[in-house]
Amino acid sequence: EDQVTQSPEALRLQEGESSSLNCSYTVSGLRGLFWYRQDPGKGPEFLFTLYSAGEEKEKERLKATLTKKESFLHITAPKPEDSATYLCAVQAIHNQGGKLIFGQGTELSVKP
Amino acid sequence: GAGVSQSPSNKVTEKGKDVELRCDPISGHTALYWYRQSLGQGLEFLIYFQGNSAPDKSGLPSDRFSAERTGGSVSTLTIQRTQQEDSAVYLCASSPGGSDYGYTFGSGTRLTVV
Repeated sequence: EDQVTQSPEALRLQEGESSSLNCSYTVSGLRGLFWYRQDPGKGPEFLFTLYSAGEEKEKERLKATLTKKESFLHITAPKPEDSATYLCAVQAIHNQGGKLIFGQGTELSVKP
Repeated sequence: GAGVSQSPSNKVTEKGKDVELRCDPISGHTALYWYRQSLGQGLEFLIYFQGNSAPDKSGLPSDRFSAERTGGSVSTLTIQRTQQEDSAVYLCASSPGGSDYGYTFGSGTRLTVV
């Protein structure tokens, strides 16, 4: 069964304190791994897609990396505006163009 | 508009009533998805439409749930005989075709069954 587990459930950081969020996955053939950001009362906002082990993508203070079993979202020198819930999702090869399996998310809070 | 539009943004209904939730995808996006997000839970896939192909209904939790997409654009999710466990945020997303570009989500409809 395809499964995604994110840790920690919640993370509190001081502004400027770098850290990483983890996404462990089990999937019968990975087509893509996705990271989204979700603010309260809003839908998830697309951040990155990763396709193969060793791939990395960056956007401002965020960098996503991928191995065969997990992905990390590294946050460098975070700011209060980075506070949000970060969601990880996988798409299996057998679900071409179709459904994503989401993790429960990591709620990030960055204090000034 | 530039984004995915969902209506209503909030809906309170009595147990046993039927509800319809509407999604206007981004113009030109051929793929449309419905997800459900319950309090403290991850996003749960419900249904996926791609162009004129038969929809993937594998995530619909019961036969009380149905969805249609008219003219390859607007979609309606219908829940019949609502139950309290149906209370959740229902999210719609669209993409140009396939998921390589990531989905663009709407802000959702918060459904409360009382």
